[in-house]
Parts: sequence; structure tokens; C-alpha cells
Amino acid sequence: EPEVTQTPSHQVTQMGQEVILRCVPISNHLYFYWYRQILGQKVEFLVSFYNNEISEKSEIFDDQFSVERPDGSNFTLKIRSTKLEDSAMYFCASSEARGWSNQPQHFGDGTRLSIL
Amino acid sequence: GESVGLHLPTLSVQEGDNSIINCAYSNSASDYFIWYKQESGKGPQFIIDIRSNMDKRQGQRVTVLLNKTVKHLSLQIAATQPGDSAVYFCAENFSGNTPLVFGKGTRLSVIA
Repeated sequence: EPEVTQTPSHQVTQMGQEVILRCVPISNHLYFYWYRQILGQKVEFLVSFYNNEISEKSEIFDDQFSVERPDGSNFTLKIRSTKLEDSAMYFCASSEARGWSNQPQHFGDGTRLSIL
Repeated sequence: GESVGLHLPTLSVQEGDNSIINCAYSNSASDYFIWYKQESGKGPQFIIDIRSNMDKRQGQRVTVLLNKTVKHLSLQIAATQPGDSAVYFCAENFSGNTPLVFGKGTRLSVIA
């Protein structure tokens, strides 16, 4: 069964450093998402991406964050200058596009980001 | 210090019994609902979905019930197995591929 894959599984970074989290969505999906989950809390939306541009973003997704689809398969989340509070699990998700019909979002297993 | 957010509602069931996990959703405009299962160290795994024009949908060993009047969603798992032990989240959105809003989650613990 096709799945969303994320790398690395764990990233440890010094505060203030840039970090790039990578995702390979399911191949026939056209909508891509990033969510995060702080330890013990619920999953929160960051950003959605369609047709090579951001569709929606949350208040969390400030100027420190950016997303990119550099080629036909990868979808990346960059945090320019990491803060301690960026420590969380970051999940990538993707879904098919079928007009206005809701389609389930399928999630990867996440990248655990630890900021020191 | 206070461990805010680390306490999840927990449901403990005997293996073989049926489980019912409940969720109150927030947005009356939501028209699509999903149940996800999250095992330790993994991402949310899709279980079953339901659209707002339905009030019940069945899958393999799982049933989702939707009550729009009181904005309530439930997940029923038949003959619960040890492998069902996980945190279960409900999520909602509306009108196509919009962001999901997740509930707080319920931890299901299956006693063998």
C-alpha cells in the first residue's frame, strides 16, 4: 500500500540553526500538508500546499517557516532559525484531489525535531 | 511543574469486548470526519471516514456514528484486540482538501 515517507526520523539541532524536514507524498496525490504535534498534545495544522503554492497556513506558520516542492516527488518544510518551542513531531500528509469531494489525508510517521 | 496536555482520557477494555470512543467536534460547518489511530512513535493512521450526509458507516470491525444535532462522533471497535491499543483521534474539516482540526485523543488500552 502506498505511503507517505518522511526523513529523517529524528533531527537534533542547535537553537538558531536552520533545519529542513523532508517528505515524499503518495505519488498520485496533489494536496500536501504539514502538521506538528508537541509532546502529549493534539495534532495542529501548519500549512497546506497545492499546485505549487500555499493554499492555507495557520498562525503557527510564521516567517520562520517555508515549504517547497523542489522536484516531482519531494515536499520540504524549512525552519530558518529554530527556537526551543519548535521541538515537536512534524507530520507530512497528502491527499488526492477530487474536486470538492473530501478525501482522507494520509500521514507519514513523522520527524521528531529536538532543539537544544 | 504542571504537565499540561499530557493527560489523555483513557479507555480500558478486555480483549474481545467492544470499544466505544467518543468525540465532540467543534465546528457545525464541518462536513467530513475522520478517525485516526496513532501508535507510539508513528503517525496518525487512517481508520474510517464519514461525510455529513450520513449518520453511520461501517468498516472492517469498526463503525463510525455521526450525530450532527449534538455535534458528536463515535468510533465503535468490535471484538477489541491487543493490536488496537493506541491513541485514537477524531478529525474534522469541510469543503474539499482543507486543513484537518484534530480532537484531543483517547488512549485505548486493551487488557489481554
